[in-house]
Amino acid sequence: NAGVTQTPKFQVLKTGQSMTLQCAQDMNHEYMSWYRQDPGMGLRLIHYSVGAGITDQGEVPNGYNVSRSTTEDFPLRLLSAAPSQTSVYFCASSYARGSYEQYFGPGTRLTVT
Amino acid sequence: KNEVEQSPQNLTAQEGEFITINCSYSVGISALHWLQQHPGGGIVSLFMLSSGKKKHGRLIATINIQEKHSSLHITASHPRDSAVYICAVFGGATNKLIFGTGTLLAVQP
Repeated sequence: NAGVTQTPKFQVLKTGQSMTLQCAQDMNHEYMSWYRQDPGMGLRLIHYSVGAGITDQGEVPNGYNVSRSTTEDFPLRLLSAAPSQTSVYFCASSYARGSYEQYFGPGTRLTVT
Repeated sequence: KNEVEQSPQNLTAQEGEFITINCSYSVGISALHWLQQHPGGGIVSLFMLSSGKKKHGRLIATINIQEKHSSLHITASHPRDSAVYICAVFGGATNKLIFGTGTLLAVQP
């Protein structure tokens, strides 16, 4: 099993550009989530999904969109990149929402200039 | 005040030392996670616990639900243990994972 995969690993964008961060898991997990990690702060939840076709906002959703058309994939779209979105982004999955072991992707380091 | 507080924020130890990292939380939880993040990024789950104690190799995690406190212990520390250790709790008002800011551990040979 590949676990949770993310692409790209690194990305530089100019302000105003859009892009999609890809996330996929091969463990048939129902719950998937996107976090951002910034210096001096704990990981913060951007969006999450409890199953195909169902998504919801987390703590810091502004400027991001998600969709979940399949169980495996959970892409994160930046609509119009801003310097405040410079961060490291992690996708995670677990069996279901709740007290289950979390599996994280390797992260995407995004810089917006 | 953060709902999950870790201490210390930074820790330097000599190889072979016994290490303790602490996590206190202020919300009701159903589970607590300890995660490890190595330089260069990936995050892996070490433990998930809701009571008592768990052990895996040289790592031991304990939780005291009444005191809202958990500790992660590393016995016979090794330079390869150098990483950021993150505490996260599942629960609170939003019923989601709430993360601490992490403890940066450096083990020197």
